[in-house]
Amino acid sequence: GEDVEQSLFLSVREGDSSVINCTYTDSSSTYLYWYKQEPGAGLQLLTYIFSNMDMKQDQRLTVLLNKKDKHLSLRIADTQTGDSAIYFCAESRESNDMRFGAGTRLTVKP
Amino acid sequence: ETGVTQTPRHLVMGMTNKKSLKCEQHLGHNAMYWYKQSAKKPLELMFVYSLEERVENNSVPSRFSPECPNSSHLFLHLHTLQPEDSALYLCASSQDLAGGLRNTQYFGPGTRLTVL
Repeated sequence: GEDVEQSLFLSVREGDSSVINCTYTDSSSTYLYWYKQEPGAGLQLLTYIFSNMDMKQDQRLTVLLNKKDKHLSLRIADTQTGDSAIYFCAESRESNDMRFGAGTRLTVKP
Repeated sequence: ETGVTQTPRHLVMGMTNKKSLKCEQHLGHNAMYWYKQSAKKPLELMFVYSLEERVENNSVPSRFSPECPNSSHLFLHLHTLQPEDSALYLCASSQDLAGGLRNTQYFGPGTRLTVL
């Protein structure tokens, strides 16, 4: 299977919370990342978490890591139309370059 | 602004043309990457360079030829492309490939390539 897996689509209403999920296979992953890609643009690093942490909060973003289940999630509180984008999960290990998921397209409906 | 620039932002070329994509990073990084992003395969790693040496080449057709003259610049030379090569080509850089946060990649805005 793929190293990093994400569901492809998520649709939420403006003002609701969004939760984007990701699973990865390699227990030696050291850092896990979330990137955001807006239409026609490159990938923008949103946040990252070290593998010995289980939570990281940054304003409206909350990253949760369940290392036992190799599950990473990104919660966006009070989702706005400007949050509509593709969100990529990625992981890096000590001796390799990064591995990216296929991306989750988040659509925010007014 | 991520510190990684790509030119041109859009390119239309015929199958017999030769063109080049340029990437420049202003972050002092030592590793650079080319990715292809299309509807069929969202993010495909094509090439990885570390200290101007190619360290990864993921079975990319020879009609794509990368060049890394120094650690700040990366080119992708294109010749006799096919319509299925139409995609967004993204460049990225990282501090190096030593692992952990040093591998964190910063992306340019991409070049939207259309092959007629």
